[in-house]
Amino acid sequence: GENVEQHPSTLSVQEGDSAVIKCTYSDSASNYFPWYKQELGKGPQLIIDIRSNVGEKKDQRIAVTLNKTAKHFSLHITETQPEDSAVYFCAAERNSGYSTLTFGKGTMLLVSP
Amino acid sequence: GAGVSQSPRYKVTKRGQDVALRCDPISGHVSLYWYRQALGQGPEFLTYFNYEAQQDKSGLPNDRFSAERPEGSISTLTIQRTEQRDSAMYRCASSPTPNFGGLSYNEQFFGPGTRLTVL
Repeated sequence: GENVEQHPSTLSVQEGDSAVIKCTYSDSASNYFPWYKQELGKGPQLIIDIRSNVGEKKDQRIAVTLNKTAKHFSLHITETQPEDSAVYFCAAERNSGYSTLTFGKGTMLLVSP
Repeated sequence: GAGVSQSPRYKVTKRGQDVALRCDPISGHVSLYWYRQALGQGPEFLTYFNYEAQQDKSGLPNDRFSAERPEGSISTLTIQRTEQRDSAMYRCASSPTPNFGGLSYNEQFFGPGTRLTVL
């Protein structure tokens, strides 16, 4: 089955700095890679996603890059703000059988004012 | 509008008891997913439904776990003869379109979860 590794487990940055979270996956059949943000006491919420036919996607301060050859994808947050503090999860969806998401273990991002 | 709701939010039970966890998806959402999330981990897939049909239950740990969605809306996850290792956050998610395989590309909307503690 699919295995998704996520690093780092915690990341502390100063407000205004950039933050990068990296994930690798094992199943070459995976073709969809969403990122979810989980705030304290809430469920995960989709913030950006990327499909295999695209190498990069940007939405305001967040961007995701995908390298299918190397089987890794990354989340980039620029000009971080304290409200970006949360746990971020990457996930991969395989393109075979019934589609289900496999999540990474999460990265706790702390943005200090 | 209202998001996904789950009840109870917290459940404490004694080992050996049965528990039923409820999920109310977003109105009109067709597919419904159950996940288990241990502390410090990402959500782990358990099972999912399209309408009332259970499409995939490969993630259920053993036969003590079962789920149903009889009318294609509310779903119940039941754990029989609970064990301490069942303690976790149980999350439900729903999506507006069915997932029949291939790539769904469907955003999943997660509920706040039920924190289950088995003593």
